[in-house]
Amino acid sequence: LAKTTQPISMDSYEGQEVNITCSHNNIATNDYITWYQQFPSQGPRFIIQGYKTKVTNEVASLFIPADRKSSTLSLPRVSLSDTAVYYCLVGEGGSPGGYNKLIFGAGTRLAVHP
Amino acid sequence: DTAVSQTPKYLVTQMGNDKSIKCEQNLGHDTMYWYKQDSKKFLKIMFSYNNKELIINETVPNRFSPKSPDKAHLNLHINSLELGDSAVYFCASSLGTSGRTSRLQETQYFGPGTRLLVL
Repeated sequence: LAKTTQPISMDSYEGQEVNITCSHNNIATNDYITWYQQFPSQGPRFIIQGYKTKVTNEVASLFIPADRKSSTLSLPRVSLSDTAVYYCLVGEGGSPGGYNKLIFGAGTRLAVHP
Repeated sequence: DTAVSQTPKYLVTQMGNDKSIKCEQNLGHDTMYWYKQDSKKFLKIMFSYNNKELIINETVPNRFSPKSPDKAHLNLHINSLELGDSAVYFCASSLGTSGRTSRLQETQYFGPGTRLLVL
């Protein structure tokens, strides 16, 4: 599975837009890019997933350039409750049997300040 | 209406003891997982079961034995606990529909974690 590189930590203020970039130079053709969020003392939670270009949902946007060697998670107008660790994962999905293995990196610790 | 639940939430025990952690999901998913998160916050997959069948078994000591009595439950039994087993253990589940042809990564739903401290 492709290895990912993210900043260890980031700081922001309430109301700002936060962009977290993940590098995955060895991404394979079949690989998808997925982001999870983990609050302290909780399990990770799925945020967004994409393959190319741009994906947007009610929580975030994911920007993927044409070469797919990086991706950027964009959180609009963050609040204090967005303080968490954000993980970028790259890998292909499961077999038709339906199972897949997620490889988590160190993640990016986002701290949102008042 | 908890989707993925784990018990106990906290577990403090002595070295050499045997302990179990239980996991249940009410999402109707076919696939369940166990992850270990160490003190450096790295999350590593340990096991995965699809419809009660073991499908992923990472390099985990034999002291760890998962058991899936049905597809809604995946329990983790740990024999002869060691200091290095201290960590947070997360259970997760995903749809895992058999016959699915999409290679899209399935969303995994995680439980709240079990904090194990071995003294």
